Amino acid sequence: DGGITQSPKYLFRKEGQNVTLSCEQNLNHDAMYWYRQDPGQGLRLIYYSQIVNDFQKGDIAEGYSVSREKKESFPLTVTSAQKNPTAFYLCASSIGTGGNTEAFFGQGTRLTVV
Amino acid sequence: KQEVTQIPAALSVPEGENLVLNCSFTDSAIYNLQWFRQDPGKGLTSLLLIQSSQREQTSGRLNASLDKSSGRSTLYIAASQPGDSATYLCAVRRDGGKLTFGQGTILTVHP
Repeated sequence: DGGITQSPKYLFRKEGQNVTLSCEQNLNHDAMYWYRQDPGQGLRLIYYSQIVNDFQKGDIAEGYSVSREKKESFPLTVTSAQKNPTAFYLCASSIGTGGNTEAFFGQGTRLTVV
Repeated sequence: KQEVTQIPAALSVPEGENLVLNCSFTDSAIYNLQWFRQDPGKGLTSLLLIQSSQREQTSGRLNASLDKSSGRSTLYIAASQPGDSATYLCAVRRDGGKLTFGQGTILTVHP
């Protein structure tokens, strides 16, 4: 089936650790995005990539890093510099970035700091 | 800076009612607007996409309208069912394909 796969579904991190969230898509989409969702809030953009080997910071990039070495993969690393990493993380993709493009989302990863 | 607001924050209705969810945005320079559904602990499911040049889109019992000049969109759900219970999010697309989201409307449809 075509879609976006995020793993793991649940992730626990100790203070001071870096963790990496996986996002894979088989939709042949050029653009990929990472969003963070906190309780009672809308989604906020962390990083996005419009093409392989290129990515830009979103609205809340501090404490996060990404890579885009392959079209189908856009992993997100939550570093120890992120002061409040506990949240629900959602990956999305779209075929392009123009006006008629639709965003599709994965099922999310819930990260908890213990 | 684009801001998106959704009203009401929560809505509880009996089964069978027609209902309207509202979304407003501050900057009319958008590429399109997308309505999503989110079930608890799950990802987002796309419901409707309205391009900036369109006025409305329909899918089954759902109808979404867009008035770009006034910065408003509404999602109309006809003959609501308990299975419609979820959080509904609207998002506007800006440059680079980035989405700005509202905080969502939590809908509960009780039998």
